Amino acid sequence: DTGVSQDPRHKITKRGQNVTFRCDPISEHNRLYWYRQTLGQGPEFLTYFQNEAQLEKSRLLSDRFSAERPKGSFSTLEIQRTEQGDSAMYLCASSPQATNEKLFFGSGTQLSVL
Amino acid sequence: AQSVTQLDSHVSVSEGTPVLLRCNYSSSYSPSLFWYVQHPNKGLQLLLKYTSAATLVKGINGFEAEFKKSETSFHLTKPSAHMSDAAEYFCVVSLKAAGNKLTFGGGTRVLVKP
Repeated sequence: DTGVSQDPRHKITKRGQNVTFRCDPISEHNRLYWYRQTLGQGPEFLTYFQNEAQLEKSRLLSDRFSAERPKGSFSTLEIQRTEQGDSAMYLCASSPQATNEKLFFGSGTQLSVL
Repeated sequence: AQSVTQLDSHVSVSEGTPVLLRCNYSSSYSPSLFWYVQHPNKGLQLLLKYTSAATLVKGINGFEAEFKKSETSFHLTKPSAHMSDAAEYFCVVSLKAAGNKLTFGGGTRVLVKP
């Protein structure tokens, strides 16, 4: 399968713990995006990368959230000191070049904070 | 700023009858508009996109959408619903000037009755 891959598919954690998610985009895709989707809502933009550079962060991304894409390939999203309100589906998407608007989405990581 | 409003949170149709999902958008500039579909436990899939070419856009699985600038609408239709069309549908707007990040509507859940 050469689509966008996210790991893990599901994560259950206790409040206050740190969690890290990984996204592997489609090979050679320059842009990588993170979105968050809560139950009954559309996905909300969190941040995106052009290669290894993080170009924009939503105000939804509090100081407890950090995303990296160190070599311009895979990306990680870390949430520190998780809160119950962080429970959501975290979606990753990639696109092949800056002018190409079509995004390819992964299946997401479902986070449950108890 | 850009935003999307999906006018119906739920739509119920009988198999073989037409489907209409309504979407209105707001954008300062000429946007690109998309419809994505999300089946349970699957990633978001692009149905179709409008990027200032023909105003009537044909997508996959028999769906099409019409861009009406005067009404700021981008409604999605299908002449005959199939059971496999049961899913959540998202109307989406993006701007190249905003890094092509997508702004999603709240979604419309489609139920298809036999």
